[in-house]
Amino acid sequence: LAKTTQPISMDSYEGQEVNITCSHNNIATNDYITWYQQFPSQGPRFIIQGYKTKVTNEVASLFIPADRKSSTLSLPRVSLSDTAVYYCLVGDSSNTGKLIFGQGTTLQVKP
Amino acid sequence: GAVVSQHPSWVICKSGTSVKIECRSLDFQATTMFWYRQFPKQSLMLMATSNEGSKATYEQGVEKDKFLINHASLTLSTLTVTSAHPEDSSFYICSARDYTSNTGELFFGEGSRLTVL
Repeated sequence: LAKTTQPISMDSYEGQEVNITCSHNNIATNDYITWYQQFPSQGPRFIIQGYKTKVTNEVASLFIPADRKSSTLSLPRVSLSDTAVYYCLVGDSSNTGKLIFGQGTTLQVKP
Repeated sequence: GAVVSQHPSWVICKSGTSVKIECRSLDFQATTMFWYRQFPKQSLMLMATSNEGSKATYEQGVEKDKFLINHASLTLSTLTVTSAHPEDSSFYICSARDYTSNTGELFFGEGSRLTVL
């Protein structure tokens, strides 16, 4: 399974755009890139998933370069409630495809 | 979206007793579920893959006799922590894929916090 590397922590202020980059040099052809958000004492919550290029949904955008060895989660205009741990995971989306969590990025949004 | 539910959300038990945690997929069938454990300030660690109708597959270093997994139906997997000790105190989280979904999104339960006294 491809290993991921993310910054341990990031600080931001309300209203700013936050970009969190994840490295996954050994990503396999069948692997998707998925980002999860986790608040304390809760299970991770799905944010966005992509395979290549750019994906956008109502809460975030995901940018994936052509070589797919990295990806960037973009959170537009963060608020205090976006303070959480963000995990980048890579793995295949088959029924038995397991996901291994890296250390994640703790995002602290300040007023 | 699909929902995965865990029960209980928290449990306190005495050392030496066994505790069962349930994981249910509420609106989809899951032939495979995954069990994770998370210690404070740490990431989630995959413990095992639960397979409906067959034996679970455990990750290296996880004691299968200590953490019993049963996946008797397409919507329910259970994790039993046998003869629990204080070092087993942790946040246990299950997840499941909606295999009918094109995205193969992995849904997570709310987690179950186990405290062993």
